[in-house]
Amino acid sequence: EDKVVQSPLSLVVHEGDTVTLNCSYEVTNFRSLLWYKQEKKAPTFLFMLTSSGIEKKSGRLSSILDKKELFSILNITATQTGDSAVYLCLGGSNYKLTFGKGTLLTVNP
Amino acid sequence: GAVVSQHPSRVICKSGTSVKIECRSLDFQATTMFWYRQFPKQSLMLMATSNEGSKATYEQGVEKDKFLINHASLTLSTLTVTSAHPEDSSFYICSARDVRGLAGVLSTDTQYFGPGTRLTVL
Repeated sequence: EDKVVQSPLSLVVHEGDTVTLNCSYEVTNFRSLLWYKQEKKAPTFLFMLTSSGIEKKSGRLSSILDKKELFSILNITATQTGDSAVYLCLGGSNYKLTFGKGTLLTVNP
Repeated sequence: GAVVSQHPSRVICKSGTSVKIECRSLDFQATTMFWYRQFPKQSLMLMATSNEGSKATYEQGVEKDKFLINHASLTLSTLTVTSAHPEDSSFYICSARDVRGLAGVLSTDTQYFGPGTRLTVL
């Protein structure tokens, strides 16, 4: 059975801190790893990673995939209160996505 | 680009009635749409995969006769909760898979989510 494990499950930091969210996966016929940010409603797309070792960046967020270790990290630098959300990691295969349970990030002023 | 809409955003109904939720991809064609359910403080749970022009594929434990899915066009899928009961109250989210990524590169895995529908069954 495919599985995606995220850690930590929750994290509380202060504004300005840098955080690293972890995601390990075991997905048959793995194609891609996706990161989403979920606030009050539906998730919004952050990154899709398919190649190992290539960092993707979007502003203060960056992510990288290690296909050998079956692992990905999502980094957020200089955190802001608006970064508070659940961050979801998904493993994509030929036919479906497998969801991690998410990391609840709380950024305090 | 890559906008997915859902309607209604919120619905309250009496037990025993049926509720239809629409999911539309507004600026791209989605051959595959997915329906998820989310309980409070839990991750999304895939209910079914809907392919345009064919029957939906339901996940184990999801009653196909209770959750009717129709994907009649490349931009519209509907989920009908039949004879709804209070235990069906939940947050229902659809997503659409864009067969071409934002840059036009073939990408079969990026899903874009609708804003969700909050269903409350009294």
